Amino acid sequence: DAKTTQPPSMDCAEGRAANLPCNHSTISGNEYVYWYRQIHSQGPQYIIHGLKNNETNEMASLIITEDRKSSTLILPHATLRDTAVYYCIVATDNNDMRFGAGTRLTVKP
Amino acid sequence: DGGITQSPKYLFRKEGQNVTLSCEQNLNHDAMYWYRQDPGQGLRLIYYSQIVNDFQKGDIAEGYSVSREKKESFPLTVTSAQKNPTAFYLCASSKAGGDTQYFGPGTRLTVL
Repeated sequence: DAKTTQPPSMDCAEGRAANLPCNHSTISGNEYVYWYRQIHSQGPQYIIHGLKNNETNEMASLIITEDRKSSTLILPHATLRDTAVYYCIVATDNNDMRFGAGTRLTVKP
Repeated sequence: DGGITQSPKYLFRKEGQNVTLSCEQNLNHDAMYWYRQDPGQGLRLIYYSQIVNDFQKGDIAEGYSVSREKKESFPLTVTSAQKNPTAFYLCASSKAGGDTQYFGPGTRLTVL
């Protein structure tokens, strides 16, 4: 079973920031938070991951709360090509990854 | 051009036939994985291999078999024992067992 809870769907206006929440209240100290996304009928694409500090890369930012029980993925300027299913996963390593149903983000013009 | 390839993109088989799905990577990754995805669902781990000549069962290994004779190849056989084989199959690899996974484009298997 997935160890995370995400809203099933969200909408975002093109050019605005998309903030995708994830709850992981049972996360343990050695588990990372990973984010992947999957565009329809393609393989998932890695976005970002973190342990407890906030992280940023060219695709997104990851904000993890101090108690590590939740996190937010931020796409700073969403485009139509960001429409996808976004998966939040907690795992100690990649052999333990559990992909839930994710959040279906729709970016609208 | 490095990456993970899966072929074919679409595969059709008759019920009762075994079928082997190909997964090749030229990323020099040690670890490789097979997942299954059903419509509207997340991914479920079938098998994974952290090193050549070794592999481990995932959550839904029944009805599937794998081999890892070469570092770059991790074929998956869907046997006739798999009750509901029609699904989207995804292969992934990572540098080692604890690193970020990179996915192939997937193979959509339909059993008629």
